[in-house]
Amino acid sequence: QAVVTQEPSLTVSPGGTVTLTCGSSTGVVTSGHYPYWYQQKPGQAPRTLIYDTTNKQSWTPARFSGSLLGGKAALTLSGAQPEDEADYYCLLSYSGARPVFGGGTKLTVL
Amino acid sequence: EVQLVESGGGLVQPGGSLRLSCAASRFDFSGYWMHWVRQAPGKGLVWVSSIHSYGIGTVYADSVKGRFTISRDNAKNVLYLQMSSLRPEDTAVYYCARGDPYPDHWGQGTLVTVSS
Repeated sequence: QAVVTQEPSLTVSPGGTVTLTCGSSTGVVTSGHYPYWYQQKPGQAPRTLIYDTTNKQSWTPARFSGSLLGGKAALTLSGAQPEDEADYYCLLSYSGARPVFGGGTKLTVL
Repeated sequence: EVQLVESGGGLVQPGGSLRLSCAASRFDFSGYWMHWVRQAPGKGLVWVSSIHSYGIGTVYADSVKGRFTISRDNAKNVLYLQMSSLRPEDTAVYYCARGDPYPDHWGQGTLVTVSS
């Protein structure tokens, strides 16, 4: 089974910009992996931010964007707010309709 | 707004069984894939199982294959997860999620604890 890798933790200053990445043990991540990004705050269920690489949900703040970068999927936060402090998970699709989550990135806004 | 409400979690002994339910509302349930995702205490999200919108296809993670069965009742708008031969490592919050095709709307989860 493929392994999806994310940075375990990142720190960003309020108002700053940070990019979270999502890599695959099988090689380059493409749009064919249909990358999803989720945000999870303590004690809450996950919330979908990005689907199919770049598409935002209706509730996704404009400061979040998804892309492909350097062979990985990427989630960029521009203008970080204190409320963005959370765990972020990516999900990639593989053959056989078996999606795989990354291990998650704990984002600190400090 | 999409609503997903899980139920059926609780404490069960190793080797025991449990059936989780997820009541769906405010969307066309029969038009979507549905998923179960779990999260062990303090750990990350792990995909467990998925079922086609009409129930004609199911997929399982290797860790639960042969022990868990996903099903759905489109007439009642309910998703199920029948869990048997439960192990301590199955302890987790179990989330149901609507898929388009992958999880896009999530329930609040139900806690399953496997312990003697």
